[in-house]
Amino acid sequence: KQEVTQIPAALSVPEGENLVLNCSFTDSAIYNLQWFRQDPGKGLTSLLLIQSSQREQTSGRLNASLDKSSGRSTLYIAASQPGDSATYLCAVDNQGGKLIFGQGTELSVKP
Amino acid sequence: DTAVSQTPKYLVTQMGNDKSIKCEQNLGHDTMYWYKQDSKKFLKIMFSYNNKELIINETVPNRFSPKSPDKAHLNLHINSLELGDSAVYFCASSQAGSRIEAFFGQGTRLTVV
Repeated sequence: KQEVTQIPAALSVPEGENLVLNCSFTDSAIYNLQWFRQDPGKGLTSLLLIQSSQREQTSGRLNASLDKSSGRSTLYIAASQPGDSATYLCAVDNQGGKLIFGQGTELSVKP
Repeated sequence: DTAVSQTPKYLVTQMGNDKSIKCEQNLGHDTMYWYKQDSKKFLKIMFSYNNKELIINETVPNRFSPKSPDKAHLNLHINSLELGDSAVYFCASSQAGSRIEAFFGQGTRLTVV
């Protein structure tokens, strides 16, 4: 049974810092891995999707990596800004569209 | 244009009532989902429909009945609401077998009193 874990559960950093969010999964037979952002009281916004054959994806200040064999993914945020404050969710798809989510990392970027 | 839209956004109702949440996607996707986010913010899949057919049913109580009139709509009907049903319900859509991401609606916050 696939389980997804995110560390840390919460993170507070000063503006401008580079930071890394971690995601691990127990079953390496995944189709893809997706990182989402959730603002309080809002829906999920997709940030990056990494296919199982890919090692990383980049979008602006965000870079996500995937190491399938070790069951790990990281989300790197460069030069963090207060507007990056949100909960970041990692989800893996290993059953044709069914996403298994981690518990999320609640990020707070202080001005 | 809203890709995945849910109504209502908020729903407060008494125990024992029956309620429905509607979801529509205008992305042309063939697969739609319902997820539940509990008080601890943990998201878990409930149902998946592909071209109006039920694909995934994650041991959800049979008080929950999804209905897909066409592949652009997936509604969730809940009978005999219980306090434990209070949560945020998210609708999502994707294209089966493709390499594109899943898109989520804004969520429906259901409060059972």
